[in-house]
Amino acid sequence: ETGVTQSPTHLIKTRGQQVTLRCSSQSGHNTVSWYQQALGQGPQFIFQYYREEENGRGNFPPRFSGLQFPNYSSELNVNALELDDSALYLCASSFGGGNQPQHFGDGTRLSIL
Amino acid sequence: GNSVTQMEGPVTLSEEAFLTINCTYTATGYPSLFWYVQYPGEGLQLLLKATKADDKGSNKGFEATYRKETTSFHLEKGSVQVSDSAVYFCALTHMNRDDKIIFGKGTRLHILP
Repeated sequence: ETGVTQSPTHLIKTRGQQVTLRCSSQSGHNTVSWYQQALGQGPQFIFQYYREEENGRGNFPPRFSGLQFPNYSSELNVNALELDDSALYLCASSFGGGNQPQHFGDGTRLSIL
Repeated sequence: GNSVTQMEGPVTLSEEAFLTINCTYTATGYPSLFWYVQYPGEGLQLLLKATKADDKGSNKGFEATYRKETTSFHLEKGSVQVSDSAVYFCALTHMNRDDKIIFGKGTRLHILP
């Protein structure tokens, strides 16, 4: 089975720009969650999408937005980038909710100059 | 709110030593508990999990027991190898609408040959 894939692997942007990160979920999974992992920290939940609708959101401002497509792939969009947005962005997919394990991709490393 | 606290690293051990990484949690109800591992340059991999009190999760020689009375989920391994060098995250999730994962800050483990 194909695992979770994220693109790009690395990205450099400047303050004020906008960025789109992409995630292809594992085959058979219909739920995608996004996490931000700052250097030396644990991942922080951004939001989750289930069947193309937002299904929960963490403590992130509205300039963090997302989409899920009919094939369950997903995008994370960040507007008006700030220096503190520099982090590893992780996508995880799962089937349904509850105790189903989430499978993580290798992440996109975003650097803001 | 829900939270996870784990021992700070880095933890440095010699090969074949006994490993314990402490983890305690704060949560309402009955969360599921996890240990994830992150190897350099990679995303997170689920190492083991436990979904109810007194459950023991195990994988690759690692074990952790869900202790509700002490709200703990300590990770142990009897004999570590150099290849176990990584960052270990304790985490919990609740069976609610978004089942977001709440992570600890991570513990970096160095195993010396």
